[in-house]
Amino acid sequence: EAGVTQFPSHSVIEKGQTVTLRCDPISGHDNLYWYRRVMGKEIKFLLHFVKESKQDESGMPNNRFLAERTGGTYSTLKVQPAELEDSGVYFCASSQDVGGYSYEQYFGPGTRLTVT
Amino acid sequence: QKEVEQDPGPLSVPEGAIVSLNCTYSNSAFQYFMWYRQYSRKGPELLMYTYSSGNKEDGRFTAQVDKSSKYISLFIRDSQPSDSATYLCASWYSGGGADGLTFGKGTHLIIQP
Repeated sequence: EAGVTQFPSHSVIEKGQTVTLRCDPISGHDNLYWYRRVMGKEIKFLLHFVKESKQDESGMPNNRFLAERTGGTYSTLKVQPAELEDSGVYFCASSQDVGGYSYEQYFGPGTRLTVT
Repeated sequence: QKEVEQDPGPLSVPEGAIVSLNCTYSNSAFQYFMWYRQYSRKGPELLMYTYSSGNKEDGRFTAQVDKSSKYISLFIRDSQPSDSATYLCASWYSGGGADGLTFGKGTHLIIQP
């Protein structure tokens, strides 16, 4: 069974540009999460999709970040315009929904974003 | 105050030693406690999880949670060089408004051959 995949693995962009990250969850997983780790900090939750609906986006830092999940399959996270503080590693995770609980989350390899 | 605290290390031990990795947490609502292992430039890999207080064993790994002291532990027996990685503890509870896991910073573990 394929795990969570993310593309690209690494992106270097200039401040003010736009970047789109993609995540493909494990097949059959309705729950999809985005997390971010900035240098020296812990991994932090950004948002949670259940199928195509945003369930919780309390961790999104500001309106420069836009996440979508088309048809409840893959998800994209767009940063527009990018700022220096957006640099970090962006992880995607997915989980099955077991009786309403979705704590068993499986992570992708991450996208390392560098904004210069 | 961080919700999950974890000493970043590095922690260096000789091969074959018993390793003890620890976290503390502040939110008494947490119900599930996870341990992830992360190799350099890779994503976190779920090792095991525990519900509420108690122990859980899986091969050489034992996870322990003491909710009375808000203390989370991971023990690795007969440590191997391949166990060298960053170990992340994470916590979760339902109905808290935020669906994501709350992570510690991770402890960098080095097993010396």
